[in-house]
Amino acid sequence: AQSVSQHNHHVILSEAASLELGCNYSYGGTVNLFWYVQYPGQHLQLLLKYFSGDPLVKGIKGFEAEFIKSKFSFNLRKPSVQWSDTAEYFCAVSGGTASKLTFGTGTRLQVTL
Amino acid sequence: DAMVIQNPRYQVTQFGKPVTLSCSQTLNHNVMYWYQQKSSQAPKLLFHYYDKDFNNEADTPDNFQSRRPNTSFCFLDIRSPGLGDAAMYLCATSREGSGVLGGPKNIQYFGAGTRLSVL
Repeated sequence: AQSVSQHNHHVILSEAASLELGCNYSYGGTVNLFWYVQYPGQHLQLLLKYFSGDPLVKGIKGFEAEFIKSKFSFNLRKPSVQWSDTAEYFCAVSGGTASKLTFGTGTRLQVTL
Repeated sequence: DAMVIQNPRYQVTQFGKPVTLSCSQTLNHNVMYWYQQKSSQAPKLLFHYYDKDFNNEADTPDNFQSRRPNTSFCFLDIRSPGLGDAAMYLCATSREGSGVLGGPKNIQYFGAGTRLSVL
């Protein structure tokens, strides 16, 4: 069975600080990897995805993530966070089909002015 | 512009009183999913429809049922809600397989959710 582990449950950063959120997964085959964001009161939105190819993927709003196969990791990064990045961030993984999307428990990011 | 629409946004029901949550989509996606998300937890897949085929997760209680009368609509029925069923229920859609046109594959699009309270 696939599983996803997010190490940071709650992160507080000042504006302009750099961000890295950890995500490790467990799955025996080819994986698709995702980061979703949920702003307060809003629906889950896709931030970025990795299916194949360049392991460094860029998403919306200046976010990027790097797939490191040897470490089973897909960490999310942003060089300089903004107050508007305050949200909950979910890492997710699916196997051969997207029918089995498994989420991590999420990381709540709070950006202070 | 809303592509996955869930109604209502908030639902209050009584213990044991059946309740139905609805989801509609304008994406023409062939797969629809229902997730349960409790406070501070990850969304948990309950079941999904791949076209007309229903796929139940092994640990989804029998109390939860689903219907998909057509491509655009999917319903979540909770036959006898208990206090432990209070949660946010998320609907998602995706395009899977070959021969289905429109938009990227293997990406799930979520609705805003229905927050269910059980009194």
